[in-house]
Amino acid sequence: SYVLTQPPSVSVAPGKTARVTCAGSNIGSKSVQWYQQKPGQAPVVVISYNSGRPSGIPERISGSNSGSTATLTISRVEAGDEADYYCQVWDDSSDSHVIFGGGTKLTVL
Amino acid sequence: DVQLVESGGGLVEPGRSLRLSCSVSGFTFRFYAMAWIRQAPGKGLEWVALIRNPAFGATTEYAASVKGRFTISRDDSASVAHLQMSSLKSEDTAVYYCARDSGGSSWSFDLWGQGTMVAVSP
Repeated sequence: SYVLTQPPSVSVAPGKTARVTCAGSNIGSKSVQWYQQKPGQAPVVVISYNSGRPSGIPERISGSNSGSTATLTISRVEAGDEADYYCQVWDDSSDSHVIFGGGTKLTVL
Repeated sequence: DVQLVESGGGLVEPGRSLRLSCSVSGFTFRFYAMAWIRQAPGKGLEWVALIRNPAFGATTEYAASVKGRFTISRDDSASVAHLQMSSLKSEDTAVYYCARDSGGSSWSFDLWGQGTMVAVSP
């Protein structure tokens, strides 16, 4: 079964750059989505198809994917970026085709 | 407004059944695949099931943890998706979200409901 591994937590000071990683076997060959979830709210997609930004998502948020790691990058971090972030892929060979990473809590110091 | 609204959650005893519904508005339901994704208290996201749109035969896929117990369906005339859950276990306790697939070449969930809570307890 395919596994996506994320760090449980990332901390960053306001105005700095936060990077959240998502590791998986040959993940660079897959399409990766990133979701932001704030407390008590439903998830929102912030990056689709590795680096696509849906309408309304600021340019400060970007994604990349290569080799065995996908990365969500948030530049000029703001207090409002504090949330849980999940990566997600589709894997044909797994019993459960839609795979989510375990999630990363982004804390703005 | 484009929205998904889940209903049908509640408290249920182990071994019993429950049916969740996801009513959609603001877009043409039959064009989109739909999914159910759950989140146990204090835990991460777990995909549960998906159903493709009628153009792809409305075929279904299930997570290994629910296969044989849960059934996803859709009523395109009413713009509603359902999740029939049977033989419920305590580990099925979670907020259940309905989500829309964006329709691209891979699965990306671009619209989510606010969720409905399912608690399985004696």
